[in-house]
Amino acid sequence: GNSVTQMEGPVTLSEEAFLTINCTYTATGYPSLFWYVQYPGEGLQLLLKATKADDKGSNKGFEATYRKETTTFHLEKGSVQVSDSAVYFCALSSSKNDMRFGAGTRLTVKP
Amino acid sequence: DAGITQSPRYKITETGRQVTLMCHQTWSHSYMFWYRQDLGHGLRLIYYSAAADITDKGEVPDGYVVSRSKTENFPLTLESATRSQTSVYFCASSASVPGELFFGEGSRLTVL
Repeated sequence: GNSVTQMEGPVTLSEEAFLTINCTYTATGYPSLFWYVQYPGEGLQLLLKATKADDKGSNKGFEATYRKETTTFHLEKGSVQVSDSAVYFCALSSSKNDMRFGAGTRLTVKP
Repeated sequence: DAGITQSPRYKITETGRQVTLMCHQTWSHSYMFWYRQDLGHGLRLIYYSAAADITDKGEVPDGYVVSRSKTENFPLTLESATRSQTSVYFCASSASVPGELFFGEGSRLTVL
C-alpha cells in the first residue's frame, strides 16, 4: 500500500540556517504529494503540494520537488526563522479517498 | 464562522464508556476524514466519507463507528473506550481527492 517515510528528528537549527527534511514515498500509480505544517495547539495546514513528477511546490520560502525516479519529496528552506518552529508532515494522496502521512518532523529554530 | 470545528476539544473518560467526538464543516465539502495522532505514528486514518451516507474504513478503524447523515457533520463514536484510544483526534474535509485537506483544531481524548 501507499506509505510515507520521513526523518523523524527532532531538528534544531539556528535562525537563518538551511533546512532540509527528507521524505521518501511508496505508492502505486502517480500520487499527489504534500507538505503540511502543524503549529503548537493547532490542526495541520497545507504548506505546499506537487501533483506530478518534476513539479516544484513552494510557499513561504519553502520548496519541495516531486522526484519520481528517486520517490522523494524533500522539504527545503534557505533561511529558517524562529516562526518556522513547528511539526512538518509529508503526505501523499492517490485516487483513493485517503491521504497517508509520515510520522512528522519537529523543527525548533533558535534565535 | 466558516470552517471546520470539532467538539469537545478536551475529554477525559473511563474505560468502557461510549464517547462521541463531533465534527462540523461549513464548506459543503464532499469528503470528510477522521485521523488520530500519536507520537511516533504521525496521523493515521480511522474512517473517511465521500458523501452523505457513504463511509469507508481507513487504516485503524477497529473500535470506532462513524455516520454521515448530513454532508456537514461527521461524528466519530468510540463504542467502548479503551486506554489505547487515548490520542488526539483530527477531523478534516476536502472538496476533492486527491486534494488539500482542511483540518479542525483537534480533540484530545484521555481514557483512564
